[in-house]
Amino acid sequence: GQNIDQPTEMTATEGAIVQINCTYQTSGFNGLFWYQQHAGEAPTFLSYNVLDGLEEKGRFSSFLSRSKGYSYLLLKELQMKDSASYLCAVLDSNYQLIWGAGTKLIIKP
Amino acid sequence: GAVVSQHPSWVICKSGTSVKIECRSLDFQATTMFWYRQFPKQSLMLMATSNEGSKATYEQGVEKDKFLINHASLTLSTLTVTSAHPEDSSFYICSARAGQDYNEQFFGPGTRLTVL
Repeated sequence: GQNIDQPTEMTATEGAIVQINCTYQTSGFNGLFWYQQHAGEAPTFLSYNVLDGLEEKGRFSSFLSRSKGYSYLLLKELQMKDSASYLCAVLDSNYQLIWGAGTKLIIKP
Repeated sequence: GAVVSQHPSWVICKSGTSVKIECRSLDFQATTMFWYRQFPKQSLMLMATSNEGSKATYEQGVEKDKFLINHASLTLSTLTVTSAHPEDSSFYICSARAGQDYNEQFFGPGTRLTVL
């Protein structure tokens, strides 16, 4: 079956760095997405990785290793507004998005 | 980025009534639209995939006679929850994907449905 694993919840301090991991086992791979979702709102796009390596975009970076079925989202200089759920999703061979359950990130002052 | 709208943003209805939710792509043509449901503290659950001009493909466990999907044009898809019951109360989110670009789905803001 298809499976995406990410931690349920993480806590970090304002101004610090946090890394949210995601491992996946899917039928085919056409890219991995990270989305941010605030409570009561729809997800918003953060990043897309299809090749191995690190993609940096401002305070957020995303890493992919296809051979390991592994990705992480790195958030730097954490701000209180970064408190949200972070969803990892993989585009499988049928171009269907397979979603992880999400990681709730709690930022403390 | 591309914009997807949903209407209404929230709706409260009585048990047994039907509710229609609209999803529109405002500045691009969406050949494929997706309907998701999200219960509190859970991840998105894909309900169905709809392609313009053809019948929707429903995920296992989703009743197609209860959740009617119509994708009549390249910019509009509708989800009708028929004979809604309290257990149908949820956050319904649509997303749209432009023709050849499989890289990204653009999400609507969601519709919160509460069935009394």
